[in-house]
Amino acid sequence: DAGVIQSPRHEVTEMGQEVTLRCKPISGHDYLFWYRQTMMRGLELLIYFNNNVPIDDSGMPEDRFSAKMPNASFSTLKIQPSEPRDSAVYFCASSLVGTGVGYTFGSGTRLTVV
Amino acid sequence: AQRVTQPEKLLSVFKGAPVELKCNYSYSGSPELFWYVQYSRQRLQLLLRHISRESIKGFTADLNKGETSFHLKKPFAQEEDSAMYYCALQNSGNTPLVFGKGTRLSVIA
Repeated sequence: DAGVIQSPRHEVTEMGQEVTLRCKPISGHDYLFWYRQTMMRGLELLIYFNNNVPIDDSGMPEDRFSAKMPNASFSTLKIQPSEPRDSAVYFCASSLVGTGVGYTFGSGTRLTVV
Repeated sequence: AQRVTQPEKLLSVFKGAPVELKCNYSYSGSPELFWYVQYSRQRLQLLLRHISRESIKGFTADLNKGETSFHLKKPFAQEEDSAMYYCALQNSGNTPLVFGKGTRLSVIA
């Protein structure tokens, strides 16, 4: 297994544009997490899914953010419209049973909104 | 509410010196505590968890429930230890990890 795969690795976009981040979890993992990493706030949980169902999206900062998991092998995080303060590294992680020992992180997507 | 505090954003030590990365948590129950590490240009990976009571790459961490701390220690720092370290808490097997803001360790030759 190639691990958790995120795309793109880097994204530079203009303010107001729509941005879509993608994640392919490890096959067989039943939990998927989206985290945002910034210098000021560290790692923040945005949303997580269990068996493709969103369980808690209270970490999503605004209505501009949305996430979907249409099937067990794919998830997207969308920001529309994007703003400069959304600039951060976005990590996807997957796990089995939701235990910390089983978290596998992707390489992250570095988003820059100018 | 669960909270993980890492008071130091940056910690610089000389090679061969002891290292202690501080982590304090707030949680009323019995949490599981973890340390994750992120080396330059790499993804986050699990370093150790308190349940296993193991030593990884010379690092150890002891859970002190009285002080609600889970400090990460290593007796002799090496240059390859330079990385970002995150302390994390989980209150049950089905809830997400809560991370601290991280401490960047810089080991100076």
